[in-house]
Amino acid sequence: GDSVTQMEGPVTLSEEAFLTINCTYTATGYPSLFWYVQYPGEGLQLLLKATKADDKGSNKGFEATYRKETTSFHLEKGSVQVSDSAVYFCALRGAGNNRKLIWGLGTSLAVNP
Amino acid sequence: DGGITQSPKYLFRKEGQNVTLSCEQNLNHDAMYWYRQDPGQGLRLIYYSQIVNDFQKGDIAEGYSVSREKKESFPLTVTSAQKNPTAFYLCASSIESSGGIYNEQFFGPGTRLTVL
Repeated sequence: GDSVTQMEGPVTLSEEAFLTINCTYTATGYPSLFWYVQYPGEGLQLLLKATKADDKGSNKGFEATYRKETTSFHLEKGSVQVSDSAVYFCALRGAGNNRKLIWGLGTSLAVNP
Repeated sequence: DGGITQSPKYLFRKEGQNVTLSCEQNLNHDAMYWYRQDPGQGLRLIYYSQIVNDFQKGDIAEGYSVSREKKESFPLTVTSAQKNPTAFYLCASSIESSGGIYNEQFFGPGTRLTVL
């Protein structure tokens, strides 16, 4: 079945460092891919998405490119801020009629000033 | 403002008691979902509903029950049969179109349930 694997955390960075959180997936067809962010004590918010191969999702300085050839959707940001400290989830939705999202386990990011 | 509300934010229950978590949305979304979140385990789907008066079990439905009598409401009952109910519970909704384009899920703020 479909699955999502993302790098384990926690990830600890200094402010203004470059961030990469790896996400790879297994799915048939062409799934839609998502990154969600969860700030402490809150629900999840959609950060960005891509619905077809080579699409680049971007938001708030974060980017991720849908790579069909490597089945990846890595999250990147050129210069992180303390306010980016959160848990980041990679997710996919299959190409069929199944409405469910398949979730990665989440990667915790801590940014130090 | 449109959104999803969950109440209460914190809930305490004695062992052996049933408890119902509220989830309401005014986004006019067709589909609604309940997830459970435990440290280090990501999100696990409990139940979901694609349309009023219909719902399906997710991956960890045992010990939980739901109803979907209205489009905007999807309450979750944690029964005494749930062996380890202490967790953070998240409700979500999504609009469904035939093309599947509008398929991201929108989340409520969550309810933290603690069994004493």
